[in-house]
Amino acid sequence: DAKTTQPNSMESNEEEPVHLPCNHSTISGTDYIHWYRQLPSQGPEYVIHGLTSNVNNRMASLAIAEDRKSSTLILHRATLRDAAVYYCILRRMGNTGNQFYFGTGTSLTVIP
Amino acid sequence: DSGVTQTPKHLITATGQRVTLRCSPRSGDLSVYWYQQSLDQGLQFLIQYYNGEERAKGNILERFSAQQFPDLHSELNLSSLELGDSALYFCASSVRQGQETQYFGPGTRLLVL
Repeated sequence: DAKTTQPNSMESNEEEPVHLPCNHSTISGTDYIHWYRQLPSQGPEYVIHGLTSNVNNRMASLAIAEDRKSSTLILHRATLRDAAVYYCILRRMGNTGNQFYFGTGTSLTVIP
Repeated sequence: DSGVTQTPKHLITATGQRVTLRCSPRSGDLSVYWYQQSLDQGLQFLIQYYNGEERAKGNILERFSAQQFPDLHSELNLSSLELGDSALYFCASSVRQGQETQYFGPGTRLLVL
């Protein structure tokens, strides 16, 4: 099975950049890297995803290592609303369809 | 609001019982996914349906089953419930079944006593 490893928690000051790391050393060539976040008492919410190249969207950036064994989610300016648990997920296409492998998540605290 | 609805919000039942959780996907979404979130196992993918057909199975127990109906709503059936089945159950939907965004519902919190 694929596996992702994330730190349990991180802190950031408001309006500063945040770099959330994820290790996925067992990633295979066709696995996509997805990031979702979960605010308190809500379902997960899509943040960003990528395969090999770095990706940017209005919420965040995703930096993928050249060997793809790790990735970093970058929030450019943390706000109080960014306080959430961030999940790094591998999405694997196989003979039996998609499989999703979740990390344990990083709980991000944003300090005013 | 993601557009995905789940009922009921909360469910309390006893061991050995059977329950059905319901999910209505976003309008136009053909894929439905079910996930379980528990304190000890974290988030786990259970099963995916696309346009009425099962597409992928994850860590779903044999006591659990699901289906997707012609109107695209889905139901997750949990039977012979055990204390360890207490968890949050999320449904998510997406337009197709590729790498696109999934939209999650608010979840059903199941407590087995």
